[in-house]
Amino acid sequence: DAGITQSPRHKVTETGTPVTLRCHQTENHRYMYWYRQDPGHGLRLIHYSYGVKDTDKGEVSDGYSVSRSKTEDFLLTLESATSSQTSVYFCAIRGRYEQYFGPGTRLTVT
Amino acid sequence: GEDVEQSLFLSVREGDSSVINCTYTDSSSTYLYWYKQEPGAGLQLLTYIFSNMDMKQDQRLTVLLNKKDKHLSLRIADTQTGDSAIYFCAELSGGSYIPTFGRGTSLIVHP
Repeated sequence: DAGITQSPRHKVTETGTPVTLRCHQTENHRYMYWYRQDPGHGLRLIHYSYGVKDTDKGEVSDGYSVSRSKTEDFLLTLESATSSQTSVYFCAIRGRYEQYFGPGTRLTVT
Repeated sequence: GEDVEQSLFLSVREGDSSVINCTYTDSSSTYLYWYKQEPGAGLQLLTYIFSNMDMKQDQRLTVLLNKKDKHLSLRIADTQTGDSAIYFCAELSGGSYIPTFGRGTSLIVHP
């Protein structure tokens, strides 16, 4: 157990509404990541962070923003949710050589 | 960009050995990983190997690395129904903090 929690674990929201997903770690790791997982696409990196207030875009960052005001928390925001953002979202942290993943958030946009 | 390829499915009988294969293109890969994902769960790190190693064994798991062919394999001995899951291969180049993942191999274990 790498001490990563995600909240909420499940969410259903309507198109056009803002949504924020939270990732919390207890390990004090510097690097944190947000991925989405979709059938046929595998894991795709949305954004990542390399320290407090230091973030960068991944390969599918359009429509998403992130914030990291504390080492332990990394927030992913969908400013105006669309049906194409229906997915399972995973947070990860980087250990010395490897990544550890959270349990995921299943988001449905109707 | 760099790529990691895996076959999509593997079906085996309980008690047999399973071998899941992975190929990658980045010649500067330094770390190679195997993750397991059970239904409804996150990815669980199974094992990883440094590029200067040929083999790593951990209980029922054996990882083989052929750096010349850029080929990584995961062998599961005495496969059990609880091993049914999706297995992801990933690689990380030295100096990078973003691994490249394969799309996963779905292992189905028949009783």
